[in-house]
Amino acid sequence: DTAVSQTPKYLVTQMGNDKSIKCEQNLGHDTMYWYKQDSKKFLKIMFSYNNKELIINETVPNRFSPKSPDKAHLNLHINSLELGDSAVYFCASSHFRPRDRAAKLFFGSGTQLSVL
Amino acid sequence: EDQVTQSPEALRLQEGESSSLNCSYTVSGLRGLFWYRQDPGKGPEFLFTLYSAGEEKEKERLKATLTKKESFLHITAPKPEDSATYLCAVPLTDKLIFGTGTRLQVFP
Repeated sequence: DTAVSQTPKYLVTQMGNDKSIKCEQNLGHDTMYWYKQDSKKFLKIMFSYNNKELIINETVPNRFSPKSPDKAHLNLHINSLELGDSAVYFCASSHFRPRDRAAKLFFGSGTQLSVL
Repeated sequence: EDQVTQSPEALRLQEGESSSLNCSYTVSGLRGLFWYRQDPGKGPEFLFTLYSAGEEKEKERLKATLTKKESFLHITAPKPEDSATYLCAVPLTDKLIFGTGTRLQVFP
């Protein structure tokens, strides 16, 4: 069974479109994250939710809107896609919040977004 | 500024040629340091957590060590299947901050 699963694996779309990426974890974790990995493999946090509450909201354009319907799901909606949004987006989860205890993150396999 | 820096950016080794990867951090009050491995097309996979200076962890050909300013990932007699990007990360408040990674290639 896949612990953290995200869909779709690949997303190719035109500039200006709106798209969503879905993530689900079956580990019973309380905290979920969205990370963005650029072409140089640098992983940067975007958002974090703990028990459906937003706890981290990095400097991300407000075209990006996360949504956590329950503890096991964290989706990412992107409006008005731009060329610079092309990257790999990773969902992750952890049992603990990093500030409470050194939290080990479990990652999904990523969504490669290409904006044309 | 709190940051995590990894070196070298890329490393090419012959099979059996041991080497070390470095992770330097400037985060104060370290509450743990993580090492991850990432294969192409996949998400990072957890390897080790180190909590205090002097601590060491081992897994097969990999050994991670920690000092007050940096961590090393030693690879002994690597095999081609060890080829991957290795990432280190440290917690900063409620975030896990990642380094830029070292891309390791091991040739037979």
